[in-house]
Amino acid sequence: AQKVTQTQTSISVMEKTTVTMDCVYETQDSSYFLFWYKQTASGEIVFLIRQDSYKKENATVGHYSLNFQKPKSSIGLIITATQIEDSAVYFCAMREGSSGSWQLIFGSGTQLTVMP
Amino acid sequence: EAGVTQSPRYAVLQEGQAVSFWCDPISGHDTLYWYQQPRDQGPQLLVYFRDEAVIDNSQLPSDRFSAVRPKGTNSTLKIQSAKQGDTATYLCASSTGTGVYEQYFGPGTRLTVL
Repeated sequence: AQKVTQTQTSISVMEKTTVTMDCVYETQDSSYFLFWYKQTASGEIVFLIRQDSYKKENATVGHYSLNFQKPKSSIGLIITATQIEDSAVYFCAMREGSSGSWQLIFGSGTQLTVMP
Repeated sequence: EAGVTQSPRYAVLQEGQAVSFWCDPISGHDTLYWYQQPRDQGPQLLVYFRDEAVIDNSQLPSDRFSAVRPKGTNSTLKIQSAKQGDTATYLCASSTGTGVYEQYFGPGTRLTVL
């Protein structure tokens, strides 16, 4: 069965620093896709970045990057040079590639607060 | 490009009342998803469609919930007799069927059942 776990309930950091949010996943599928989404205070959910399981290189988009450790079933999100507007809830999600299902399994989220 | 739109944004009901949520996906997206997000939890899939066909509704509480997408574009999710446990945000998302895998979410409908 698929499962996504985010153990960090909340994190507070100072502006302009780097933060890492943890995520571990469980799947029996050899092919899968991992995603990070951000949910703002207004409730809007925004796609940030994706990692395909067959790719060894860590994905990077703007000031978001991933730390993909496949043997540990771990996909951490790294935000560099944090800004106040990065304050939000961050969700890790997974979709299996071989099952034919397009369902996303989400973790419970990590609340990030960036302080001035 | 317009994003996923949903209406209404908020709904407040008494137990036993019915409610419908409407979703308009991103133009050209053939796959449409409905998620339920209880407070302080991640979204959980209820049902999804490819064009007008239901692909997976195994997590839809079928006795009270129904969803349709008759022309493969807009979709409606209906709760026949709401319960307090249905209090949550209902999110619609869409994606293309090939290539790009990301799902794009609408603003959601925040439902409160009293």
